Amino acid sequence: AQSVTQPDIHITVSEGASLELRCNYSYGATPYLFWYVQSPGQGLQLLLKYFSGDTLVQGIKGFEAEFKRSQSSFNLRKPSVHWSDAAEYFCAVGANTGNQFYFGTGTSLTVIP
Amino acid sequence: NAGVTQTPKFQVLKTGQSMTLQCAQDMNHNSMYWYRQDPGMGLRLIYYSASEGTTDKGEVPNGYNVSRLNKREFSLRLESAAPSQTSVYFCASSEIASNIQYFGAGTRLSVL
Repeated sequence: AQSVTQPDIHITVSEGASLELRCNYSYGATPYLFWYVQSPGQGLQLLLKYFSGDTLVQGIKGFEAEFKRSQSSFNLRKPSVHWSDAAEYFCAVGANTGNQFYFGTGTSLTVIP
Repeated sequence: NAGVTQTPKFQVLKTGQSMTLQCAQDMNHNSMYWYRQDPGMGLRLIYYSASEGTTDKGEVPNGYNVSRLNKREFSLRLESAAPSQTSVYFCASSEIASNIQYFGAGTRLSVL
């Protein structure tokens, strides 16, 4: 069965520190992988996606993610966190048919000054 | 550039009441989706519509019905609301070619 696991429910980092949010997936076929960000009271916004090719993908707001097939992982990273990055982050996996997507339970990020 | 528009933004219902959540997109996308978001559960797919005239069940369809009225609009109906349906509901749309979903701002529903 398809599933996405985000093992960290909540992470706190200092402003300027580096960040890594973990995501592991289980999917029977070649996955399409996504990271979304949700600010309080808002909908989800796409940060980045991986479909194929280079396993290191760049996204908006200085985020990047690396696809590691051997580890079934798609971890999100940012070298230096800003206070405005405080939000909920969701990893998602989907099929190339575009019919169904599976989301992780999310990681809440707090940024302290 | 409205994107995905959901109405209403907030709603309070009594148990047993019915209501319809509306969703419209102006991006000419073929696929549309309804999710619910609950604390600690992430987003769970209720129903989706791969194209105009088709709908399919997702992970948690019980207690809901949907209508793909046309290419732009995809509504979600609660026939007899229950407290377990208290949640935040998100509509999304996507183009199959890109596989990127665009989300509305959500509807916060409380069932008392």
